[in-house]
Amino acid sequence: DTAVSQTPKYLVTQMGNDKSIKCEQNLGHDTMYWYKQDSKKFLKIMFSYNNKELIINETVPNRFSPKSPDKAHLNLHINSLELGDSAVYFCASSHVGGRNTGELFFGEGSRLTVL
Amino acid sequence: GQNIDQPTEMTATEGAIVQINCTYQTSGFNGLFWYQQHAGEAPTFLSYNVLDGLEEKGRFSSFLSRSKGYSYLLLKELQMKDSASYLCAADNAGNMLTFGGGTRLMVKP
Repeated sequence: DTAVSQTPKYLVTQMGNDKSIKCEQNLGHDTMYWYKQDSKKFLKIMFSYNNKELIINETVPNRFSPKSPDKAHLNLHINSLELGDSAVYFCASSHVGGRNTGELFFGEGSRLTVL
Repeated sequence: GQNIDQPTEMTATEGAIVQINCTYQTSGFNGLFWYQQHAGEAPTFLSYNVLDGLEEKGRFSSFLSRSKGYSYLLLKELQMKDSASYLCAADNAGNMLTFGGGTRLMVKP
């Protein structure tokens, strides 16, 4: 069984469209994340979601909105897609113990291409 | 702010030893992670250092100096399959990891 699974793996769309990427984890972790990895391979945190508390990286445009229906799911919705949104988006989860961020378990990534 | 620096690329020979350095400046610090990422795949966990010193795990070891804001990953007896990107990440106590840009390691025969 895949621990962290995200769909779709590949997404090609036109500028201006709205799209969503879904993520599910079966590890029982309490915290989930979205990371963006651009063409230069820089892995940047976008969101962290823990027990209904959303922590947002302030550099993320508000066109990006995470939605968590329950502890095992964290979906990413993107409005009005732009060329610069093209990247690989990784979902991850961890068990946060006290003040420590636990080991991250990553999904396989969703490669978004905006034309 | 958060700042994590590591070399962009390194090349080493099969069977050799390579050390990948990472320096960090973060507001709040719990520990330092190293992840491995093969091309087109997800990052996978290698090590986590909380205290100063060297942690050894098979062919891979990781070192941390909190006072110097410095870590390194040491890979021994390099194999071709070790060709990958190695990502340094700081746990800044904010429930998020901040990653460096990654070091792309190429192992040659």
